[in-house]
Amino acid sequence: DQQVKQNSPSLSVQEGRISILNCDYTNSMFDYFLWYKKYPAEGPTFLISISSIKDKNEDGRFTVFLNKSAKHLSLHIVPSQPGDSAVYFCAASAEQSRGGSNYKLTFGKGTLLTVNP
Amino acid sequence: DSGVTQTPKHLITATGQRVTLRCSPRSGDLSVYWYQQSLDQGLQFLIQYYNGEERAKGNILERFSAQQFPDLHSELNLSSLELGDSALYFCASSPQGLFPYEQYFGPGTRLTVT
Repeated sequence: DQQVKQNSPSLSVQEGRISILNCDYTNSMFDYFLWYKKYPAEGPTFLISISSIKDKNEDGRFTVFLNKSAKHLSLHIVPSQPGDSAVYFCAASAEQSRGGSNYKLTFGKGTLLTVNP
Repeated sequence: DSGVTQTPKHLITATGQRVTLRCSPRSGDLSVYWYQQSLDQGLQFLIQYYNGEERAKGNILERFSAQQFPDLHSELNLSSLELGDSALYFCASSPQGLFPYEQYFGPGTRLTVT
């Protein structure tokens, strides 16, 4: 039972255009969401996060939108650059798992973003 | 560089064998998490330690175990290895305080079971 779903295995965009990566979740207890970027042969790198009390969080070229009623979040990258080409993972954390400093993350399967020059 | 180190980088072993993966968290981080990434799968949470104590368990097999030592480094022990255990194993650590969700990952250990 996959609680965090990234339904697009891959996405290809042109340099300078917007990249939109999507993520859906099923567990209504999730209240904190994160995006990680992963290059080949490296570990995931934290990119941006959002609390469930917000619907938008922006950091430079990266913006995450959260629609709690639809249990959907998206990552927008504007403008996209070739260096953004990587696998992007959506992750979520649930209040009930946070007792006693437990902040376990549940990850989606990832979306491979390719930004073409 | 996340500050989390993992050794070895690659490990090739045979079915039935036992291996130990090692992780050193970022300086000051008390929590260590272990994740498994199999082919075409997302990262699956295995187990978490906080300051030497087990805090949470995920889909970790009984053949697998972990511990965190007084110097906060952690080891993941995998025994009676099967072909299906071939995967990338990541360790992550997280800071205390305001943003404990933001885990910092090591480069991973690629385990190949033949």
